[in-house]
Amino acid sequence: QKEVEQNSGPLSVPEGAIASLNCTYSDRGSQSFFWYRQYSGKSPELIMFIYSNGDKEDGRFTAQLNKASQYVSLLIRDSQPSDSATYLCAVNPPPGGSYIPTFGRGTSLIVHP
Amino acid sequence: NAGVTQTPKFQVLKTGQSMTLQCAQDMNHNSMYWYRQDPGMGLRLIYYSASEGTTDKGEVPNGYNVSRLNKREFSLRLESAAPSQTSVYFCASRYNEQFFGPGTRLTVL
Repeated sequence: QKEVEQNSGPLSVPEGAIASLNCTYSDRGSQSFFWYRQYSGKSPELIMFIYSNGDKEDGRFTAQLNKASQYVSLLIRDSQPSDSATYLCAVNPPPGGSYIPTFGRGTSLIVHP
Repeated sequence: NAGVTQTPKFQVLKTGQSMTLQCAQDMNHNSMYWYRQDPGMGLRLIYYSASEGTTDKGEVPNGYNVSRLNKREFSLRLESAAPSQTSVYFCASRYNEQFFGPGTRLTVL
């Protein structure tokens, strides 16, 4: 069974620090990886995607992918209280596979002033 | 460009009542999904539709039915609601990444 594992947290960081969120996946053929942010009472929204090994930066967010280790991470620099949310890691099936993305259960992030 | 819309936003049902949750997307995506989300359980897939005219069961299909009315619309029906179906329901559509609707908060008494 395809799995995506995340530490449920909560991860608590002070304002201005770097928050590091991690995710491992089981399907070695996966090629597309996503991070969603979900505020309490709201729906998930896409914040980052990454397809290639290495780092991808977008503003304060950096996604990191290591396919050999089957590991995806999200770094949030200069964390703000408004970043407090649950972060979901998602992995698409390999091309030609099922149509069902696999989601982790999410990591709760708390940024305290 | 509204993205993914869902109706209603909130609903309270009595045990045994039926209802249909509506979902529509305007992004011309082939694939659409229905999830439920319960505290501590993450997103659980109820049904999905890979393309217009096809539907398939997900992880937790019991007690639900779906209809892919056309490429835009994908509805979820509860024929006889049970308290265990109290949850938040999200519809999503996908080309590569998924786009989620705002959700329906359903309470079954």
